[in-house]
Amino acid sequence: GEDVEQSLFLSVREGDSSVINCTYTDSSSTYLYWYKQEPGAGLQLLTYIFSNMDMKQDQRLTVLLNKKDKHLSLRIADTQTGDSAIYFCAVLSGGYQKVTFGTGTKLQVIP
Amino acid sequence: ETGVTQSPTHLIKTRGQQVTLRCSSQSGHNTVSWYQQALGQGPQFIFQYYREEENGRGNFPPRFSGLQFPNYSSELNVNALELDDSALYLCASSLAVTSGQFFGPGTRLTVL
Repeated sequence: GEDVEQSLFLSVREGDSSVINCTYTDSSSTYLYWYKQEPGAGLQLLTYIFSNMDMKQDQRLTVLLNKKDKHLSLRIADTQTGDSAIYFCAVLSGGYQKVTFGTGTKLQVIP
Repeated sequence: ETGVTQSPTHLIKTRGQQVTLRCSSQSGHNTVSWYQQALGQGPQFIFQYYREEENGRGNFPPRFSGLQFPNYSSELNVNALELDDSALYLCASSLAVTSGQFFGPGTRLTVL
């Protein structure tokens, strides 16, 4: 089945850019998502990209997809302390039914 | 427009008991998925319901079962609880899974 991997932790200074990376294994994955989870809360959908796209920009967020290397990244420009959270990469496969999540990257923003 | 709600917020059960968790989907969303999130892990897909029918299932045993009602709200039932079932259970609704799912705040289940 699908396997999605992320690094566990990222620390950046306020105002810098953050780049969170994700790799996946299923080349037939169609939609790829980024979710944000703050302590004690559910997951918030940030953005998603269809597999025929290389890039998607949404305000401070830029998603890059390298299908050849099965690599997805999320760039947050001008990172703020409010961006501190766990970020999950998720991949849709299995006939539009199953979404597989990575283990999450904890982003710490230092003031 | 009301978002996804889940009840109860917290629950404590003992091993061997049964539990029912509830979810009200976002208005107009006909697809509900359930996930189990263990501490420090990403959510694991349990199953999905579309228009009252199970539409996909992850690697969870049959003691995890569910229902979806005509108003698209949903229940997750877990029988014969085990200690490893302790986790945050998340419900997510969508009109189409492809455009992303909207998550509720979760139910924290503790099995003693």
